[in-house]
Amino acid sequence: ETGVTQSPTHLIKTRGQQVTLRCSSQSGHNTVSWYQQALGQGPQFIFQYYREEENGRGNFPPRFSGLQFPNYSSELNVNALELDDSALYLCASSFLTVVGTDTQYFGPGTRLTVL
Amino acid sequence: KNEVEQSPQNLTAQEGEFITINCSYSVGISALHWLQQHPGGGIVSLFMLSSGKKKHGRLIATINIQEKHSSLHITASHPRDSAVYICAAAFFYTGNQFYFGTGTSLTVIP
Repeated sequence: ETGVTQSPTHLIKTRGQQVTLRCSSQSGHNTVSWYQQALGQGPQFIFQYYREEENGRGNFPPRFSGLQFPNYSSELNVNALELDDSALYLCASSFLTVVGTDTQYFGPGTRLTVL
Repeated sequence: KNEVEQSPQNLTAQEGEFITINCSYSVGISALHWLQQHPGGGIVSLFMLSSGKKKHGRLIATINIQEKHSSLHITASHPRDSAVYICAAAFFYTGNQFYFGTGTSLTVIP
């Protein structure tokens, strides 16, 4: 148990729809990162939030957006879903200091299927 | 270009064997994670290191900063070690964002 939870576990959407995935970070962690993992691939960095502000973004289009809340929860929103968005979405929380980031603790993931 | 490469992609071992999984990266890093992912998706962080060596039970992780290379070793492997092992690196100029290798799928046969 990492103390990081995600909901829902599985989700099926159709192309063009919008989806919101949720993550509850480990208490005390100020940073959450979101990753997309396609089948058979390693996770790809989507973006990171630090103290409720975006702190870096990977190579994902603007229709991928996020929020981080003061209670350590966060959301990943994807608009105008495409078939290629089908993947496992992972969030990871950590504590970031001026020295660097601490170990990332991963949630169990949300499996999104776009039909 | 950020690049994290792992080898081998797939590995089958007999129970009790000593296992090594390799990770190389292209530019300077601030930290490197070794992660374990079981079927169903859950990821567990095994180690995070930026220099030297770390040991936890039967697992050992080493990193050579000059050679831009890290290894994960499993001693006395067991079928429950069967999983995908992933290395992830945070490059200096990407801050604290981790970039992942594609993973090594390990199967340990009884």
